[in-house]
Amino acid sequence: SYELTQPPSVSVSPGQTASITCSGDKLGDKYACWYQQKPGQSPVLVMYHDSKRPSGIPERFSGSNSGNTATLTISGTQPMDEADYYCQAWESSTAWVFGGGTKLTVL
Amino acid sequence: QVQLVQSGGEVKEPGASVTVSCKASGYMFITHGITWVRQAPGQGLEWMGWISSYNGNTDSEKKFQGRVTMTTDTSTNTVYMEMRSLRSDDTAVYYCARVDYYESSGYFQHWGQGTLVTVSS
Repeated sequence: SYELTQPPSVSVSPGQTASITCSGDKLGDKYACWYQQKPGQSPVLVMYHDSKRPSGIPERFSGSNSGNTATLTISGTQPMDEADYYCQAWESSTAWVFGGGTKLTVL
Repeated sequence: QVQLVQSGGEVKEPGASVTVSCKASGYMFITHGITWVRQAPGQGLEWMGWISSYNGNTDSEKKFQGRVTMTTDTSTNTVYMEMRSLRSDDTAVYYCARVDYYESSGYFQHWGQGTLVTVSS
């Protein structure tokens, strides 16, 4: 089955740039999306089709996908961005699959 | 606006079955499929399966095949997910979400509030 691998945690200082990676075999040949989840809340889509931001998502969120790695980048990270982030890809044999999640700490 | 409202929390004994509902509003129901995702306490998101609201076709993750049934009721714009033979490790928050597509890539922009299913004797 297809697997996506994310680092368990990423730390960033306020105002700095955070990069969260998601690795999978030939992930660049698929489309990746990203979800933000805060404690006790439903996930929120922050990026789809590799690099498209849904309406209402701040411009400081951007995405890329190439080779075996998709990356969610948060520029000028704010304390409100502290959350768990999950990547997701669609794969023909297993439909949708999530990465294990990355806890972003802003300190 | 798009809304997905799920049924309330459930407590079940091991071996029992549970049905979680997801009522959609704010869009034409048959134009979007519904997917189910679960999250065990302190764990990540796990994709379970999805159902076409148009024709009822389903696809699910292999580990759930044979134990999970998804159905749709177009008269009430509601999707149901039944899980049988519950085990303690099925304790989780179960989410429904609407499937959207952009140039053949699927994603989940609208989510229900989640339903906690607790399996305990």
